Amino acid sequence: EIVLTQSPGTLSLSPGERATLSCRASQSLTSRYLAWYQQKPGQAPRLLIYGASSRATGIPDRFSGSGSGTDFTLTISRLEPEDFAVYYCQQYGSSPVFGRGTKVEIK
Amino acid sequence: QVQLVQSGAEVTKPGSSVKVSCKASGGSFSTHSTSWVRQAPGQGLEWMGGFIPIYDKVVYAQKFQDRVTITADKFTTTVYMELTSLRSEDTAVYYCARAPLGYCTGGTCNPLFNWFDPWGQGTLVTVSS
Repeated sequence: EIVLTQSPGTLSLSPGERATLSCRASQSLTSRYLAWYQQKPGQAPRLLIYGASSRATGIPDRFSGSGSGTDFTLTISRLEPEDFAVYYCQQYGSSPVFGRGTKVEIK
Repeated sequence: QVQLVQSGAEVTKPGSSVKVSCKASGGSFSTHSTSWVRQAPGQGLEWMGGFIPIYDKVVYAQKFQDRVTITADKFTTTVYMELTSLRSEDTAVYYCARAPLGYCTGGTCNPLFNWFDPWGQGTLVTVSS
């Protein structure tokens, strides 16, 4: 089974700063089957990115995804107050797997 | 706009079973798979299994395949998840989530499960004696 390792565990930043979140897979993800989700307390996850770099409907362009093979990145260009949340990467395919998450907190 | 509405919170005892429902409204039921994902308190997300309607096929995560049963009623566009032999570690919020089907032919789809969007609101299942 593929294991996804997200880093860092917690990212402390101020509004307006750039956030860079990493997701590393234990083996190469063919076809870039990698998604990113945002989750706020008490809410269901929300899809941000699929196919490693395609933004989901309604997602602001300050969110971008990149990467291939085993290394993937979610970048938030300028943090807005509503962006402070937990972010999960997910490998989809025959047996979906999630990373353990990165919490983006206000510094 | 597709919406997934789940059944309400459950409180159950160790050793018992629980069945959670997820009703889809809007969109096409047959062109999307429905998966179940759980989240224990303060923990991450864990995929349990999913239903692929075009083939009436269910795929389970290895961890849960002995205890979980996913069924579907296409007429009411409702998918169910039943978890048996409950223990305290099963206390979690259980989410259903839809995914667009991949390229399907010959009894399977590629990929088998796509990205999850949308998600249901979640159902808290508490296992306590």
